[in-house]
Amino acid sequence: GAVVSQHPSRVICKSGTSVKIECRSLDFQATTMFWYRQFPKQSLMLMATSNEGSKATYEQGVEKDKFLINHASLTLSTLTVTSAHPEDSSFYICSAKRGGDEQYFGPGTRLTVT
Amino acid sequence: LAKTTQPISMDSYEGQEVNITCSHNNIATNDYITWYQQFPSQGPRFIIQGYKTKVTNEVASLFIPADRKSSTLSLPRVSLSDTAVYYCLVGPANQAGTALIFGKGTTLSVSS
Repeated sequence: GAVVSQHPSRVICKSGTSVKIECRSLDFQATTMFWYRQFPKQSLMLMATSNEGSKATYEQGVEKDKFLINHASLTLSTLTVTSAHPEDSSFYICSAKRGGDEQYFGPGTRLTVT
Repeated sequence: LAKTTQPISMDSYEGQEVNITCSHNNIATNDYITWYQQFPSQGPRFIIQGYKTKVTNEVASLFIPADRKSSTLSLPRVSLSDTAVYYCLVGPANQAGTALIFGKGTTLSVSS
């Protein structure tokens, strides 16, 4: 199956700083990438959908100015958490799909804001 | 997207067969049923997908009755490594630009 990677796998940052998470499709071109957030013992919550070369579509309740998503190429999407606060600490998972193909998930990034 | 209902948790022992049932009363004609597995601190992994009757692969079987209002994921002879959260998802199969929406999932705990 197709491989999606995320970097970093874990990151710790101080409150008020920004952190960038990368999501790459390693062996296919992803026309659409998705970002999810998962709090402990909860399900995955879709944050946003991004198509290459266009602005991301954010789910209701997700602050687009706080969670900046860039999908500059068919193999890379980035999520930047700006002015992070402890309540942003979570597990962030990206996924990617090519057209109507299956959706492939990355391994996730654990963000801890101190 | 059709809403799904699964048991919050299930317990089993190694070597047993585990059946996890998912209810989806409002499933649409073009909806498929897909199951994902998630280990702690990992992304979800595709297990199996089906539309009707029975689907089997090297990992699991999926049973779907004629009315398609429910489905059962069957894991044969589970091992400790099958301890994970299992999600049942219902929606159009692989629709371009459409994200998978996850429900609460079933936490399966396998003991020795």
